Amino acid sequence: GESVGLHLPTLSVQEGDNSIINCAYSNSASDYFIWYKQESGKGPQFIIDIRSNMDKRQGQRVTVLLNKTVKHLSLQIAATQPGDSAVYFCAGLSNSGYALNFGKGTSLLVTP
Amino acid sequence: DAGVTQSPTHLIKTRGQQVTLRCSPKSGHDTVSWYQQALGQGPQFIFQYYEEEERQRGNFPDRFSGHQFPNYSSELNVNALLLGDSALYLCASSLYGGPNEQFFGPGTRLTVL
Repeated sequence: GESVGLHLPTLSVQEGDNSIINCAYSNSASDYFIWYKQESGKGPQFIIDIRSNMDKRQGQRVTVLLNKTVKHLSLQIAATQPGDSAVYFCAGLSNSGYALNFGKGTSLLVTP
Repeated sequence: DAGVTQSPTHLIKTRGQQVTLRCSPKSGHDTVSWYQQALGQGPQFIFQYYEEEERQRGNFPDRFSGHQFPNYSSELNVNALLLGDSALYLCASSLYGGPNEQFFGPGTRLTVL
């Protein structure tokens, strides 16, 4: 079955630096991925998504890269701000197309 | 435009009891998925409802059941509560339930004593 996981459990960056959060997946049949941000006590918040027919997608201060050859995706956050401190999850869509499979998450801490 | 809403916010139950959690999807959405998130873990898929039927189910026992109403809102029921059922229960709504964005509610924090 699908397995989605993150490389690092925690990441600490200084305010203003760029952040890169990585994610690996095992199921090559997955064709849709979403990055979510979850702040303490809140539900996951949609950040950006990417489909398997794309290598890169950009949003406001965020970029997602997808490397299907090595089954890896990353989330880049430009000019990281204190408000970016949260847990970040990548989620892949299962073969059925209905259930999102989440990894454990990476905790991003932005220091002044 | 109202987002996904869930009630109650917090709930405390004892082992063996039953609980019902409620979810209203984002305006315009017709599909509701339920997830369980244990502390420090990613959300785990419980099931998805579309057109008032359970369309897919994750690896959860039959103690977990649900319902979707004609107005697309949904309930999650858990019977014979166990200590291990303590978690944040998240509802996510989407359109058609396919490979599209799933928007999450704030969750219901369930504590089983």
